[in-house]
Amino acid sequence: AQSVAQPEDQVNVAEGNPLTVKCTYSVSGNPYLFWYVQYPNRGLQFLLKYITGDNLVKGSYGFEAEFNKSQTSFHLKKPSALVSDSALYFCAVIYYGNNRLAFGKGNQVVVIP
Amino acid sequence: SAVISQKPSRDICQRGTSLTIQCQVDSQVTMMFWYRQQPGQSLTLIATANQGSEATYESGFVIDKFPISRPNLTFSTLTVSNMSPEDSSIYLCSVLLGNTEAFFGQGTRLTVV
Repeated sequence: AQSVAQPEDQVNVAEGNPLTVKCTYSVSGNPYLFWYVQYPNRGLQFLLKYITGDNLVKGSYGFEAEFNKSQTSFHLKKPSALVSDSALYFCAVIYYGNNRLAFGKGNQVVVIP
Repeated sequence: SAVISQKPSRDICQRGTSLTIQCQVDSQVTMMFWYRQQPGQSLTLIATANQGSEATYESGFVIDKFPISRPNLTFSTLTVSNMSPEDSSIYLCSVLLGNTEAFFGQGTRLTVV
């Protein structure tokens, strides 16, 4: 069955430091992978996606993610975190032939000033 | 892209009553979904809203509890029936464009007392 795992509950990082939010997926066909962010009392916002092609994808707000097939991972990264990046981050997957998004449990990111 | 409007944005309801949530999309879409996000948890897919036919429910969700209508390609409703405090959640409408681009409404924050 398709699924993604976000192993950490909360990620704390100092402002200006690199930010990494981890995501791994279970293998079942060719995955389409996504990252979404949810700010308090707001809906989900799309950050970036991997469908095919270059393994490094760049998205909104300076975020990027690298698709690593051998490690079945799709970690989200930002070189220099901002306090405004504090939010809930979700990794999600769609497998080809199945149109439903499966979400990870989410990671609370706290950027400390 | 797609712009999704959900109503109401929030509500406080008495147990035993029902609430209908509306989802309006600014363009015609084939794939429309309803998700639930319980407090502190990830998004769980309730069902796929099918235009012209009965919704497709995920495991653990039934039509009697969460009846869904999809009269056309731009509109859907989700009803939460016979509510209990355990139904207190955020309910989100989502559409999928091109099988790879998912957009979400702002969500309906439901509190059952």
